[in-house]
Amino acid sequence: KQEVTQIPAALSVPEGENLVLNCSFTDSAIYNLQWFRQDPGKGLTSLLLIQSSQREQTSGRLNASLDKSSGRSTLYIAASQPGDSATYLCAVKVNQAGTALIFGKGTTLSVSS
Amino acid sequence: DAGVTQSPTHLIKTRGQQVTLRCSPKSGHDTVSWYQQALGQGPQFIFQYYEEEERQRGNFPDRFSGHQFPNYSSELNVNALLLGDSALYLCASSQGTVLFFGSGTQLSVL
Repeated sequence: KQEVTQIPAALSVPEGENLVLNCSFTDSAIYNLQWFRQDPGKGLTSLLLIQSSQREQTSGRLNASLDKSSGRSTLYIAASQPGDSATYLCAVKVNQAGTALIFGKGTTLSVSS
Repeated sequence: DAGVTQSPTHLIKTRGQQVTLRCSPKSGHDTVSWYQQALGQGPQFIFQYYEEEERQRGNFPDRFSGHQFPNYSSELNVNALLLGDSALYLCASSQGTVLFFGSGTQLSVL
């Protein structure tokens, strides 16, 4: 059974710091992996999607990497800003068919000015 | 272009009651998925609807049922509510790989 774990559960950093969020999954047979952002009481916004054949994806100050063999992904945020404060969720898709994602519990990030 | 819209935003029910949540997908999307997110947890997949049929289902009891209409909008029904059904219910629409999520319906069961 696929399980997704995110460490740390919470993180506080001062503005301007570079930071890394970690995601691990127990079964390397995945179709893709996504990172989402969730603001309090709100829905999810997709940040980056990495196909199983890819090693990384970049969007602005965000970079996500994927190491399928070790069951790990990292989300790198450069030059953090207070507006980056949110919960970041990692999710894996096991099969090409369907829309079922398996989520971790998330990392809650707080960036202070 | 409106994104995924869900109604109502908040709902309070009593144990044993039934509830219906509604979702309108993003324009051009034909697939709707529902997720349950308990406090402090990641979302859990309930089911997916495409062409008005349930195509995929997560590990949820039959008390959870759904429907998709010809205009692609969808409803989630939960019967015989339990305290443990209190959660944020998220709807997502897609036409391809990326899911677009609504802001959710916060359901409280007392």
